[in-house]
Amino acid sequence: AQKVTQAQTEISVVEKEDVTLDCVYETRDTTYYLFWYKQPPSGELVFLIRRNSFDEQNEISGRYSWNFQKSTSSFNFTITASQVVDSAVYFCALSESMNTGFQKLVFGTGTRLLVSP
Amino acid sequence: NAGVTQTPKFQVLKTGQSMTLQCAQDMNHEYMSWYRQDPGMGLRLIHYSVGAGITDQGEVPNGYNVSRSTTEDFPLRLLSAAPSQTSVYFCASRHTPTSANDEQYFGPGTRLTVT
Repeated sequence: AQKVTQAQTEISVVEKEDVTLDCVYETRDTTYYLFWYKQPPSGELVFLIRRNSFDEQNEISGRYSWNFQKSTSSFNFTITASQVVDSAVYFCALSESMNTGFQKLVFGTGTRLLVSP
Repeated sequence: NAGVTQTPKFQVLKTGQSMTLQCAQDMNHEYMSWYRQDPGMGLRLIHYSVGAGITDQGEVPNGYNVSRSTTEDFPLRLLSAAPSQTSVYFCASRHTPTSANDEQYFGPGTRLTVT
């Protein structure tokens, strides 16, 4: 079965520091999608990015950037110049094709990021 | 569009009680699913549905029932609540069951405590 590993349980940084959240995955699918979600203290899940396995280009969105490396099965997330509002739990997820032909998402255990002023 | 709505937001049950967590979406999505979130475990799939009348089990289905009588609604039933079912429950929907290329929308969650 597919697996997503987020080895960093909790990271603490001071505001304006850069921080990278690691995500390593295992999959048997040849085509798959990778995701990052943010869960702020209010509890909802906020979609950040979806990446197709055929697209290895890095993505940048403001202070956020994502590095997808198929060779190492990693999809890491970097926040540049972190802010207190970035404090949240971040989940990496991977699509998995079920025997039925449908696709579900498999989530990592999450990384809690604490940004202090 | 209201997106994905869940009720209630909070619930406390005693062991052995039953209840239904409600989930509805107004985006005409075929695929709907229920996850539970536990500390250190991430989100785990309980049940999913790919259309009205079609449901299947996910990773952790024991103790939960689902049905899908309409495209919009996908309730999750706990027939006899146990303390191990204390968790945060998320409902999600997506247009296409066979591709994760669609965005998956999540509801705001239901925090359930079983004493």
